[in-house]
Amino acid sequence: GAVVSQHPSWVICKSGTSVKIECRSLDFQATTMFWYRQFPKQSLMLMATSNEGSKATYEQGVEKDKFLINHASLTLSTLTVTSAHPEDSSFYICSARSGTSELNEQFFGPGTRLTVL
Amino acid sequence: GQNIDQPTEMTATEGAIVQINCTYQTSGFNGLFWYQQHAGEAPTFLSYNVLDGLEEKGRFSSFLSRSKGYSYLLLKELQMKDSASYLCAVMDSNYQLIWGAGTKLIIKP
Repeated sequence: GAVVSQHPSWVICKSGTSVKIECRSLDFQATTMFWYRQFPKQSLMLMATSNEGSKATYEQGVEKDKFLINHASLTLSTLTVTSAHPEDSSFYICSARSGTSELNEQFFGPGTRLTVL
Repeated sequence: GQNIDQPTEMTATEGAIVQINCTYQTSGFNGLFWYQQHAGEAPTFLSYNVLDGLEEKGRFSSFLSRSKGYSYLLLKELQMKDSASYLCAVMDSNYQLIWGAGTKLIIKP
């Protein structure tokens, strides 16, 4: 099956610093990548959708200047949490979809656990 | 608004059968997904239903009734490794996945 990796798996940082999370599709080209956030015991919350070579589409309530998304190639998308604060501590998960059909399955990365002190 | 409902937690015995229900109200429907998520890990795909009826895949089966806005995931011959959260997600008319909060399944020996 298709494999999606994320790096780092977990990160601890000080308040006010920026953290970059990478999402890679290892054996397929991902035309669309999704970034989710999940707080403990809660559902996945879609943050943004990014298509290769174009600007990301952010969900309502997600600050695009705080959560910078770059989808520079068909195999790599990055999420940068700028000026992180303790309330940004969460589990960040990316998923990738190949092809042009919205019905194509999304493949999830293993997630990145961010703790902001 | 859009809404996905599933029980918060269920407990079952090893070797038994358990059914996890999911009801939904969404703007449009392009299929329903079930995912398994172990603690601290990302979700893994279990099943996809877009037509009414039962889809069987090994020990897991998923059922859909579009007219009732209802689905269930059936797990047979439960094993301890099945202890996880099970997420129901519906793809709406904009091809966005709307996620339920998940059902935590606890398997006891």
